[in-house]
Amino acid sequence: EAGVTQFPSHSVIEKGQTVTLRCDPISGHDNLYWYRRVMGKEIKFLLHFVKESKQDESGMPNNRFLAERTGGTYSTLKVQPAELEDSGVYFCASSPQEVWSFGLPSGNTIYFGEGSWLTVV
Amino acid sequence: AQSVAQPEDQVNVAEGNPLTVKCTYSVSGNPYLFWYVQYPNRGLQFLLKYITGDNLVKGSYGFEAEFNKSQTSFHLKKPSALVSDSALYFCAVRNTGFQKLVFGTGTRLLVSP
Repeated sequence: EAGVTQFPSHSVIEKGQTVTLRCDPISGHDNLYWYRRVMGKEIKFLLHFVKESKQDESGMPNNRFLAERTGGTYSTLKVQPAELEDSGVYFCASSPQEVWSFGLPSGNTIYFGEGSWLTVV
Repeated sequence: AQSVAQPEDQVNVAEGNPLTVKCTYSVSGNPYLFWYVQYPNRGLQFLLKYITGDNLVKGSYGFEAEFNKSQTSFHLKKPSALVSDSALYFCAVRNTGFQKLVFGTGTRLLVSP
C-alpha cells in the first residue's frame, strides 16, 4: 500500500513567486493535514481537511497560503507570493476516519509523507 | 492549550548502551501521545503511541515508551542503542477533542560506535 506522497520533494523559488505543493494521502483516508517545520523549529500544524471540508485551519499563517482538497482526494497548498520566511519543510499527513467508543476517539495514527522542502531566495 | 516539552536538544549515547529521550506534556483531558522519528532528509516515521491501557507501549525498531500520568511524561527508551538509531525524534500530543498533533521541538539522538 502506498504511503502519503508529496510533490515536489524540493523546490527553490524567488521571493514573490508562487509555489504549489501537492499531497496524495493514503487511499481511503478521510483526514488530511498540512504541517510545516521552519528554520529548525518545531513542527507546526497548518490545517486539517475531513474529506473536502476544512475542519480546522487555525494554523494557516496568513492569506498568502491557500489549501484545497477538491473531491476529497489529493490536496494542494499554494503559497502566493512566497516570502523568505516561508522556507522550510512542508509535511502532509493523513489518517483514517476516527472511531468513537465509550465517548472517546480511537486515536488513529497520523501518517506523514516525506515532505516538500521549500527554499525561498 | 496543549504543549510538549523536549528538554534536550541532543542526546549522545554509545552503541549498545540504553537510551532515553525525554518528553513532558500538557493537555486538557485525556492525552494521546505519539513518538515520530525523522532520519536525515526523510519524512516523519511513526514509532509508537499511547492511547489508553498499559502504561508501557512498545513500538517499531525495538523502541518503547512509558506513560506516567503523575509526572505528565512520555519518555522514549531503547535497551540497546544502534548507530542506525541516530536521527531526530519528535514527541507529539493531542487531546480527545481535536485530531491535530502538537509537537515538541525535537531531540537529536547521536549514537556513537
